[in-house]
Amino acid sequence: DGGITQSPKYLFRKEGQNVTLSCEQNLNHDAMYWYRQDPGQGLRLIYYSQIVNDFQKGDIAEGYSVSREKKESFPLTVTSAQKNPTAFYLCASSSGPYTGELFFGEGSRLTVL
Amino acid sequence: AQSVAQPEDQVNVAEGNPLTVKCTYSVSGNPYLFWYVQYPNRGLQFLLKYITGDNLVKGSYGFEAEFNKSQTSFHLKKPSALVSDSALYFCAVRGSGNTPLVFGKGTRLSVIA
Repeated sequence: DGGITQSPKYLFRKEGQNVTLSCEQNLNHDAMYWYRQDPGQGLRLIYYSQIVNDFQKGDIAEGYSVSREKKESFPLTVTSAQKNPTAFYLCASSSGPYTGELFFGEGSRLTVL
Repeated sequence: AQSVAQPEDQVNVAEGNPLTVKCTYSVSGNPYLFWYVQYPNRGLQFLLKYITGDNLVKGSYGFEAEFNKSQTSFHLKKPSALVSDSALYFCAVRGSGNTPLVFGKGTRLSVIA
């Protein structure tokens, strides 16, 4: 079945550690996105990529990094510079930049201890 | 800049009654509008979208939404609510130009038996 796979689903991290969240899609979509979800704040865009080897910062990119070396993969690294990393992270992809709807993964919940 | 407002944090409806979840937007140019639903600890699922054409858009699970250009609104509706419709609903908008979707803060729908 086609879809988006995020891993791990739950992750615990100590302060000062970097952690990488995986996102893989087999939908042959060009565009991929990372959103952060906090209670009462909706979804906020961290980074997005519309083609391989290119990506742009979203509204809250500070403390995060990404890469897009393959069309299928868009990993997100939460660095120690991110001051409040505990959140639910959602990866998505779309077939086109304008009219295509987003397809979401099941999310990764990161908790910093 | 584009933005979305969902004025109600919570909507309560009795099972079998009609439901409305409100959304207003602000974009430059023609809007591309979307509704998504999220169940606890899951990713978002696409419900419907308005790109162009008929102002009344029909989507998944019996939901529909009406695009109103003069009021810049895109309210989500369903004629008869089910308990299983209880979830978090997000409205999203994309304006002209190569920009990602912007999401509202979400409205929690509770359908009471």
